[in-house]
Amino acid sequence: DAMVIQNPRYQVTQFGKPVTLSCSQTLNHNVMYWYQQKSSQAPKLLFHYYDKDFNNEADTPDNFQSRRPNTSFCFLDIRSPGLGDAAMYLCATNQQGIEETQYFGPGTRLLVL
Amino acid sequence: QQQVKQSPQSLIVQKGGISIINCAYENTAFDYFPWYQQFPGKGPALLIAIRPDVSEKKEGRFTISFNKSAKQFSLHIMDSQPGDSATYFCAARAAGRRALTFGSGTRLQVQP
Repeated sequence: DAMVIQNPRYQVTQFGKPVTLSCSQTLNHNVMYWYQQKSSQAPKLLFHYYDKDFNNEADTPDNFQSRRPNTSFCFLDIRSPGLGDAAMYLCATNQQGIEETQYFGPGTRLLVL
Repeated sequence: QQQVKQSPQSLIVQKGGISIINCAYENTAFDYFPWYQQFPGKGPALLIAIRPDVSEKKEGRFTISFNKSAKQFSLHIMDSQPGDSATYFCAARAAGRRALTFGSGTRLQVQP
């Protein structure tokens, strides 16, 4: 059973055209993370939510935004994608204080034309 | 100080052999050290994790060895199989923090 679901799996967008990636979870975890992973590199944390508390990493560009309307869903908005934003975007969850393991979704591969 | 250095970058092992991947860290505040396995086109999945109060943890063919004084930890895959061919990431998390710091990854290829 899928626990962390990401849609779409593949997304093609045009340079400068806003795009939204979606993540949902069935684990009822209180923390949700967004990572960017470029080819042959480690995942890089962009930001995370602890419940509704948003935590941005210091080096995350302003071009990246996130929304978490409820426990189950989290969105990654890229306001003006550049060619350098082409990557795999990974969503992960965990339950702080109970479950240390971060559970990752399958990722959304973003292509910017 | 937040970095986790991982080596080797790539590794080729024969079926049945032992695969060894090493990681080193500087931040003494790290208190949780997971290893993730990632297949192409998939998200990382937790393989095994350790805390610094033990020097070794074994789960099936996978063992983490931890050397607190040297600030190093390693993953050993015994009896490596072609199905183990994947990219392996070590990671670390500081006490009181949520974010994981990942190593740069090791691409393992197990030849039949």
